[in-house]
Amino acid sequence: KQEVTQIPAALSVPEGENLVLNCSFTDSAIYNLQWFRQDPGKGLTSLLLIQSSQREQTSGRLNASLDKSSGRSTLYIAASQPGDSATYLCAVISAGGGNKLTFGTGTQLKVEL
Amino acid sequence: DAGVIQSPRHEVTEMGQEVTLRCKPISGHDYLFWYRQTMMRGLELLIYFNNNVPIDDSGMPEDRFSAKMPNASFSTLKIQPSEPRDSAVYFCASSLTPTGGTEAFFGQGTRLTVV
Repeated sequence: KQEVTQIPAALSVPEGENLVLNCSFTDSAIYNLQWFRQDPGKGLTSLLLIQSSQREQTSGRLNASLDKSSGRSTLYIAASQPGDSATYLCAVISAGGGNKLTFGTGTQLKVEL
Repeated sequence: DAGVIQSPRHEVTEMGQEVTLRCKPISGHDYLFWYRQTMMRGLELLIYFNNNVPIDDSGMPEDRFSAKMPNASFSTLKIQPSEPRDSAVYFCASSLTPTGGTEAFFGQGTRLTVV
């Protein structure tokens, strides 16, 4: 059974700092990995999707990397802003797991002025 | 496209009542998913459909939960009778070929409170 873990559970940083969020998964046989952002009381917004054949994806100040063999992904946020404050979730679609996303526990990020 | 649309946004009901949650997926998406989010268990898949057909309902907690997708643009999740432990945020999501590297798009969710 696929398990997804995110570390740290919570993170507080000053504005302007570069930061890294970590995601690990126990079964490396995945089709893809997706990073989401969730604001309080809101739905999930897709940030980046990395297919299993890819090593990284970039969108603006965000860069996500994938090391499938070691079961790890990182989300790098450059020059953080208060508007980046949210919960960040990673999720994987496992081979043999149907088409469902298995979610991590999330990292709650607060960027302070 | 307006994205995945869920209704209602908030629902407060008394224990024992029937609750119906609604979802309109993104036009053209052939996969539809129902997830539940709680503080204790995070996000869990309840059921998903492909081309309106239920494929995997192993996440449905018990017989009190049922889901239908009568056509490509509408799905419902029904709880009857509802219990306080069903209180959670229920999300609907849709996508194309999930294993083919396409993103899943989520609705804003329905916050259900059963008192």
